[in-house]
Amino acid sequence: EAGVVQSPRYKIIEKKQPVAFWCNPISGHNTLYWYRQNLGQGPELLIRYENEEAVDDSQLPKDRFSAERLKGVDSTLKIQPAELGDSAVYLCASSSGTARYEQYFGPGTRLTVT
Amino acid sequence: RKEVEQDPGPFNVPEGATVAFNCTYSNSASQSFFWYRQDCRKEPKLLMSVYSSGNEDGRFTAQLNRASQYISLLIRDSKLSDSATYLCALIGGKLIFGQGTELSVKP
Repeated sequence: EAGVVQSPRYKIIEKKQPVAFWCNPISGHNTLYWYRQNLGQGPELLIRYENEEAVDDSQLPKDRFSAERLKGVDSTLKIQPAELGDSAVYLCASSSGTARYEQYFGPGTRLTVT
Repeated sequence: RKEVEQDPGPFNVPEGATVAFNCTYSNSASQSFFWYRQDCRKEPKLLMSVYSSGNEDGRFTAQLNRASQYISLLIRDSKLSDSATYLCALIGGKLIFGQGTELSVKP
């Protein structure tokens, strides 16, 4: 069974530029999560989707971050414009309705803002 | 106070040693607890859930102490391959992670 797929794996951009990350969850998993992990810290939830609905986006900095999951499958997280402090690993995870808190993570996108 | 706190380590232990990590939490209403393992520059992977009665999986034992609000992970007979960061996590409306404890097992 394929795991959570994310792309790109690495991204280096200059501050004020836009950037987008893509995630394809495990087939059949209706819940999708985006996390941000800073160096030396645990992942922190940015947004959670149940199918195509964003049910928890309280930690998403809405002035510059946006996310979508239009068809309830894959998802895109966007930052515009990026700031130096956005440098982190952006992790996508998914879970099924029957085991919502057993989350499976993708390999992440390591973002460096210069 | 952080919702979940862990000693960041690093814990440097020889092969074959027994090592234990603790993780304290502040929200007494937390219901579900987990340990994740994260290898360097890799994603977190679920190691085990933590049940009220405690649970064991091979060399790994997880325990929950609700009265003192902490969970623990015990690793017996440490292997070189156990070297990783161990993250505790709990459900507080959402999955909340500690900062992780780094373990380095030396020959």
